[in-house]
Amino acid sequence: EAAVTQSPRNKVAVTGGKVTLSCNQTNNHNNMYWYRQDTGHGLRLIHYSYGAGSTEKGDIPDGYKASRPSQENFSLILELATPSQTSVYFCASGVGYAEQFFGPGTRLTVL
Amino acid sequence: GDQVEQSPSALSLHEGTGSALRCNFTTTMRAVQWFQQNSRGSLINLFYLASGTKENGRLKSTFNSKESYSTLHIRDAQLEDSGTYFCAVNTGNYKYVFGAGTRLKVIA
Repeated sequence: EAAVTQSPRNKVAVTGGKVTLSCNQTNNHNNMYWYRQDTGHGLRLIHYSYGAGSTEKGDIPDGYKASRPSQENFSLILELATPSQTSVYFCASGVGYAEQFFGPGTRLTVL
Repeated sequence: GDQVEQSPSALSLHEGTGSALRCNFTTTMRAVQWFQQNSRGSLINLFYLASGTKENGRLKSTFNSKESYSTLHIRDAQLEDSGTYFCAVNTGNYKYVFGAGTRLKVIA
C-alpha cells in the first residue's frame, strides 16, 4: 500500500489561475518536502516542513506557498500560476536525517 | 551554494556487464541516498548511507565522507536497470540536494 500519495496526478491550469497540489503520507514522518523536476535536471526543493503547522522555504520558493495542516498532509499552492511552473512535482516524507520516501509525482501544465 | 555532481551524465551498458556511477559533493554531508527513476517517472529508493558500504543484489554503494563522494556499482546489468540514477546528499537541516542524474541504458 502506497505510503506517500499525491493528487491530482495530472493537472492542466491556465496562466493566472490558482493551483493546489496535495500530498498525503501514512508513514507518520515528521518531515515533508515538495520538489520540482524539470527535463535534464535533478529534483529541486521548493518548500519543506518539520511538522504540523510549520513550513520552511527551500531553494526555489518564489511563486509557491505551502501548508501543513496535519502530520499527514502537505499542500503546495500556486496562487498565480505561470507557464514557467510547468513541471513534474514530487512530494516526499522523512524523519530527521534519514531517508526520504517519494510519492508518484504530479505532472502540471500551465497554459 | 552546495554542489552535487554526478558522473557520467549518460552511460550505455551491454547486458551482463557492470559499471560505477559517481556522486561528488562540495559540502559537508551527513548521508546520501541513491534513487532509480524508471520509465514511468517513479523514484525508487535504492540505498541510504550515513557511512560505509551497503549491498543489495547486483547493486552496491559506498560512502566516503572524508573525500566527499559516493559511488553506486551495478554488476551484471539487466534491461530493467535502464533509467536515470540520482544521488541526493543530506546537508543538514533535514534538507537534501540532488545531482542532475546519470542516464543508464542497458542494451541486449
